[in-house]
Amino acid sequence: DAGVIQSPRHEVTEMGQEVTLRCKPISGHNSLFWYRQTMMRGLELLIYFNNNVPIDDSGMPEDRFSAKMPNASFSTLKIQPSEPRDSAVYFCASSFLLAGGEQYFGPGTRLTVT
Amino acid sequence: QKEVEQNSGPLSVPEGAIASLNCTYSDRVSQSFFWYRQYSGKSPELIMSIYSNGDKEDGRFTAQLNKASQYVSLLIRDSQPSDSATYLCAVERAGTYKYIFGTGTRLKVLA
Repeated sequence: DAGVIQSPRHEVTEMGQEVTLRCKPISGHNSLFWYRQTMMRGLELLIYFNNNVPIDDSGMPEDRFSAKMPNASFSTLKIQPSEPRDSAVYFCASSFLLAGGEQYFGPGTRLTVT
Repeated sequence: QKEVEQNSGPLSVPEGAIASLNCTYSDRVSQSFFWYRQYSGKSPELIMSIYSNGDKEDGRFTAQLNKASQYVSLLIRDSQPSDSATYLCAVERAGTYKYIFGTGTRLKVLA
């Protein structure tokens, strides 16, 4: 079975540009999580969805960040406008259960904003 | 006090030895605990989940949970160089469905 799929795997963009990260969760999973990992702050939860509905976006750093999940098999994380401090690895994870469920991570998108 | 604390390491053990990784957490009512392994440049990979006090074994890995003392540990028996990675402890914050990750312990298994 395919795991969590993310695209692109690497993204280099200039400050001010719009960035869109994509995620396809594991089939049958009903919860999806977006994380950001940096050396300074470690792994941080940005937002999570249950049955395509955003449950908690309190981890989203600023209004420049937005996320959508239009259907059970696709989610996007958008940064507009991007800034150099947004440079990080962004992971998407999915699980079958929301509470206590084991989360499985995608390969991540390494974002560099110059 | 951080919600989830791990010693950053590196923890160095010889090949074949037992590696012991520890994690403490602050939320007394947390119910779900997870260990992930992350190789450099890769994504976190789930190793074990544990929900009840005591030990849970899976191959060379044993997770131990003590809710009264608020710690969870991971033992790796017969450590191999391929076990060299960063091990992340995650605790589900009660009532929120959020995983709080520790900063990870870097393990080095010396051949």
